[in-house]
Amino acid sequence: QSVLTQPPSASGTPGQRVTISCSGSSSNIGRKFVYWYQQFPGTAPKVLIYKTDQRPSGVPDRFSGSKSGTSASLAISGLRSEDEADYYCAAWDDSVSGNWVFGGGTKLTVL
Amino acid sequence: EVPLVESGGGLVQPGESLRLSCAASGFTFNNYWMHWVRQAPGKGLVWVARIDGDGTSTNSADSVKGRFSISRDNAKNTVHLQMNSLRAEDTAVYYCTREDPWSEAFDIWGQGTMVTVSS
Repeated sequence: QSVLTQPPSASGTPGQRVTISCSGSSSNIGRKFVYWYQQFPGTAPKVLIYKTDQRPSGVPDRFSGSKSGTSASLAISGLRSEDEADYYCAAWDDSVSGNWVFGGGTKLTVL
Repeated sequence: EVPLVESGGGLVQPGESLRLSCAASGFTFNNYWMHWVRQAPGKGLVWVARIDGDGTSTNSADSVKGRFSISRDNAKNTVHLQMNSLRAEDTAVYYCTREDPWSEAFDIWGQGTMVTVSS
């Protein structure tokens, strides 16, 4: 059971816009930055979005992040076949001893 | 040159110990918090532990507290994860990752090392 809640799957056709949600609480998303990671099968994750809505250099502007209250979203516009991957949200959680928490991951399928 | 290379994984029996290592190169190692993140087969990412640049501050997930400890040797640019009293549920790929001090993102990851706990 992950602290952050994501839908297990999402899908879209090429060119579409898809969003992946990430629900948390006041001890994590509600007061902390959100991070998004992309992972292809058999490989290590890669950071897509940092500090909620910032893109590292090299990440296409088709990817965007946002947050409202205790929920965050990753939006992918102009969906491409190479976007098919697993996506994870993450945030620091302030409760008790403090630790990083991840969502359970969303498998994105490009139909 | 690969920035982070993990080693030390393998097959162990429940209750046994294992020490993972992560060798870093190509950056000023002691400027970075280092973390371990694991991923059970077919499952999601789970944060395990972190250590600050000079090794004086550590945190770990409740699921491993008291059993796992993280340490670092800045002279050898290496971070370790000592895993004791291993359980079947610790079976996972263990990734070493670097936290960028400005973005606070895990910006560099190793290739991972597999730990299997089974009798």
